Amino acid sequence: KNQVEQSPQSLIILEGKNCTLQCNYTVSPFSNLRWYKQDTGRGPVSLTIMTFSENTKSNGRYTATLDADTKQSSLHITASQLSDSASYICVVSVGAGSYQLTFGKGTKLSVIP
Amino acid sequence: NAGVTQTPKFRVLKTGQSMTLLCAQDMNHEYMYWYRQDPGMGLRLIHYSVGEGTTAKGEVPDGYNVSRLKKQNFLLGLESAAPSQTSVYFCASSYQDYGYTFGSGTRLTVV
Repeated sequence: KNQVEQSPQSLIILEGKNCTLQCNYTVSPFSNLRWYKQDTGRGPVSLTIMTFSENTKSNGRYTATLDADTKQSSLHITASQLSDSASYICVVSVGAGSYQLTFGKGTKLSVIP
Repeated sequence: NAGVTQTPKFRVLKTGQSMTLLCAQDMNHEYMYWYRQDPGMGLRLIHYSVGEGTTAKGEVPDGYNVSRLKKQNFLLGLESAAPSQTSVYFCASSYQDYGYTFGSGTRLTVV
């Protein structure tokens, strides 16, 4: 069964600090891995998308890494801001069809002053 | 540029009532999707469409129907609402395998 596991479930950090969120997946065949940010009461917004051949991708203060051999990904947030408070969702695309996405449950990040 | 627009944003239904959720996108995307998001669970695909006039079942299709009569619109119908359908519903669209755009969601409560 295709699964995406994220850790930690929730995280509280001080403004200005860095943090790393983890994602492990058991999805086959793998097509690409995405990280989304979901603010409370809003839809998910794409942060990064990585294919099998990419092992890192950045979007501003967000840097995602991918190790396709160990089936692990991480999202590193640098110099956190209060606006980074949100749920971060790891999503893996299965095969060639974009409708075959497996979503993680998300990590809820709270940045406090 | 509106992106993906969902209406309504909130709705309360009584058990057995019917309703239709509307999703509209202005990006000329071929693919459109309906997901539900429940506490403690990842988004789950209800139905999807790969083009005008086509629809297909996703992971949790029971109790829902969909229609894609126009490329820009994707409708999700509940014929006889049940409390188990209380959820937040998200519509999304994409051009190909990349570039998913989600709407802001419809919060549905069935009492």
